[in-house]
Amino acid sequence: DGGITQSPKYLFRKEGQNVTLSCEQNLNHDAMYWYRQDPGQGLRLIYYSQIVNDFQKGDIAEGYSVSREKKESFPLTVTSAQKNPTAFYLCASSIDGRSARRHNQPQHFGDGTRLSIL
Amino acid sequence: AQTVTQSQPEMSVQEAETVTLSCTYDTSESDYYLFWYKQPPSRQMILVIRQEAYKQQNATENRFSVNFQKAAKSFSLKISDSQLGDAAMYFCAYRHKYNNNDMRFGAGTRLTVKP
Repeated sequence: DGGITQSPKYLFRKEGQNVTLSCEQNLNHDAMYWYRQDPGQGLRLIYYSQIVNDFQKGDIAEGYSVSREKKESFPLTVTSAQKNPTAFYLCASSIDGRSARRHNQPQHFGDGTRLSIL
Repeated sequence: AQTVTQSQPEMSVQEAETVTLSCTYDTSESDYYLFWYKQPPSRQMILVIRQEAYKQQNATENRFSVNFQKAAKSFSLKISDSQLGDAAMYFCAYRHKYNNNDMRFGAGTRLTVKP
C-alpha cells in the first residue's frame, strides 16, 4: 500500500542536542512538507520541498533544517537552536500543485512524531 | 495572508444525530480550494471532503457535506447520522488554487460523539 511513513513515533531530545525526524513516501509525489502542531493551534508549515535538492522555508523555519536528496525522503532536523521543540510533527506529500492539470490534489499525511524535551 | 477561523473549539453530538462544524476564512483570491481534515486519536490527518471555490455546488461525501457560502467566506461541515468513529479533531484548511505549498489550517474543533 502506498503511503507516508514517519519515524520514530515518539522522540526525546536532551538540551543542546540535534534530533532528526524521518519521513518517507512511496506515493511518487513531487512535493513534501513538514508541519508543526501545538495544542489549540492549527498546523504551521516549517519547510516544504517541491523537487529533489530544493526546499523552501515555511512560516516557522527557525531552529529547523531539512534536506531532500531523494524524491522519497524529506528528513527534518530539530536543532539546538529551536528552544521550544516540544510538539507533534506531521509530514505530508502531494503531487506538485503547480501543474494546471493536477492543481486539485490534496496533501496526504503521515502518522506524525511526538517530540518531547528530557 | 489568508487566515482560517474555527470558532468552536469543542462540539458534541448524540450518536445518529446531525452536527455542523463552522469555518470561516479570509482571502482576497477568487479561486482556491477548501478542505476538511479529520484527525482521530491515532493522530493521522485524513481528508474528509474538499470544495473548489469556482464550483457553486456543495461537495458531498456519503454522510459528510459542506455548506459553502463564497460571498460570506464560510465553509461549514455537516455530519449526518453521526457515528462513534466520527469522534476526532476536525481541521478546516484553505489553499490557493495553484500554490500547493501555502495551505492554511484552522485551530481545529474537537468533536465528541455520545452513545
